[in-house]
Amino acid sequence: KQEVTQIPAALSVPEGENLVLNCSFTDSAIYNLQWFRQDPGKGLTSLLLIQSSQREQTSGRLNASLDKSSGRSTLYIAASQPGDSATYLCALNYGQNFVFGPGTRLSVLP
Amino acid sequence: DAEITQSPRHKITETGRQVTLACHQTWNHNNMFWYRQDLGHGLRLIHYSYGVQDTNKGEVSDGYSVSRSNTEDLPLTLESAASSQTSVYFCASSENPTVTAYEQYFGPGTRLTVT
Repeated sequence: KQEVTQIPAALSVPEGENLVLNCSFTDSAIYNLQWFRQDPGKGLTSLLLIQSSQREQTSGRLNASLDKSSGRSTLYIAASQPGDSATYLCALNYGQNFVFGPGTRLSVLP
Repeated sequence: DAEITQSPRHKITETGRQVTLACHQTWNHNNMFWYRQDLGHGLRLIHYSYGVQDTNKGEVSDGYSVSRSNTEDLPLTLESAASSQTSVYFCASSENPTVTAYEQYFGPGTRLTVT
C-alpha cells in the first residue's frame, strides 16, 4: 500500500525566505505527482504536475522535483510572500487513483 | 471556462437521514472522484468512476454510494447519515490516464454536519 508523508507538518518563516517542502512515498511505481495548495476553508488548487519521466517542473517562484528511486519530491518556493501562507499537499497518481499526503501548513510572516 | 461545482456548499442534517451531495463538471472528464477531508486523516477516497455506468469503492466507502448516469455528474449519497460522516467532502475530476497530462481538478467542497 502506498504511504505518503510530508515533512515538516508545519513551517513558519519570515517573508523573503526561500523554503523547501518535502514529500516522501513508499512505492515508486507512480504515473505522476501533483502538488496542491489549499487555503483555509477552500478547495484544492493545482500548482504543479510532474510526470513520472520528468525530474522537475517550474512555475513562477515554484519548482518541484521528483526522484522516484528515492521516493521523494520537493517543492521549492523562492522569495516567500505572506500570500503563500496555506497548506501544501502532494498527491501521487498510480493506476487511476490518487493518494494524498497529510500536508504541510506554511505561514509566511510579514 | 470549464469548472467543477458542488452543491450544497454547507449542509446540516440529522442522524439517520438520507443525504445527497451533488458534483457537476464541465471539463468532459471521464474520471470523477469523491474524497472526504478530516483533521488527522487528510484526504481519503470514498468512491470513484472511470466513466458512465462505472463506479468503484475507495478506501472509506462504507455508508456511501454513487451513481454515474452521464459524464458531467457524480452524486454522492449517504444512505443513513451518521455523526462519523461529519466532514468536508470534495469532488474531483481528471482525464483518462492515457492522456499525458493527467491532472486532477477539485471542486470547492461541501461541509456536512450530521447532528
